[in-house]
Amino acid sequence: VQLVESGGGLVKPGESLRLSCATSGFTFSGHYMGWVRQAPGKGLEWVSYISQSGLNIDYADSVKGRFTTSRDNTKNSLFLQMTNLRVEDTAIYYCAKEAPRAYGDLESWGQGTMVTVSS
Amino acid sequence: VLTQSPATLSLSPGERATLSCRAGHSVGTFVAWYQQKPGQAPRLLFYDASKRAAGIPARFSASGSGTDFTLTISSLGPEDFAVYYCHERINWPFTFGPGTTVDMK
Repeated sequence: VQLVESGGGLVKPGESLRLSCATSGFTFSGHYMGWVRQAPGKGLEWVSYISQSGLNIDYADSVKGRFTTSRDNTKNSLFLQMTNLRVEDTAIYYCAKEAPRAYGDLESWGQGTMVTVSS
Repeated sequence: VLTQSPATLSLSPGERATLSCRAGHSVGTFVAWYQQKPGQAPRLLFYDASKRAAGIPARFSASGSGTDFTLTISSLGPEDFAVYYCHERINWPFTFGPGTTVDMK
């Protein structure tokens, strides 16, 4: 199982960024996928959780209305479109695959991509 | 809301580590434990309160239900010094605890 995030970088408040997560080694279309972030020196925070089909998506209140999660099951890829970014969105963003038979637990994680929001 | 105690546990290799996680309301057994080392992604240790994830050594054990959960490392190896997070998935939004740092005395 491999998950590789990309797309992070330095942006100004109010700007947008799109993260990608390329996966391999498992049946991508068969699993929920999640985005979890970690601000520098802080703990883990859920961002979103998307169903196998992409039709059901849950978002943290802190990103609702600004972030959009999607997936392309034909390309085994997960995406996070982030708009109207705030300084407090600065974090490492991880994509992760659900654990089997444990909805909401994350069995495999990418290495993360850093997003820095600063003027 | 999950609380973890202690915030920091200072121990020597070979010692026993006992980490606690408490939920503000019953979460059944929908609790997982993750380990995170500096510069690395979290790693799933246990799910459903006590089910060991693949590849996790037997010196790790976990238990609990309802509101009180425990992660135990029977004999700390040098690679076990890390931050440990509990996590609940009873309802969205799922939440992580603030973490317990196990560092070397």
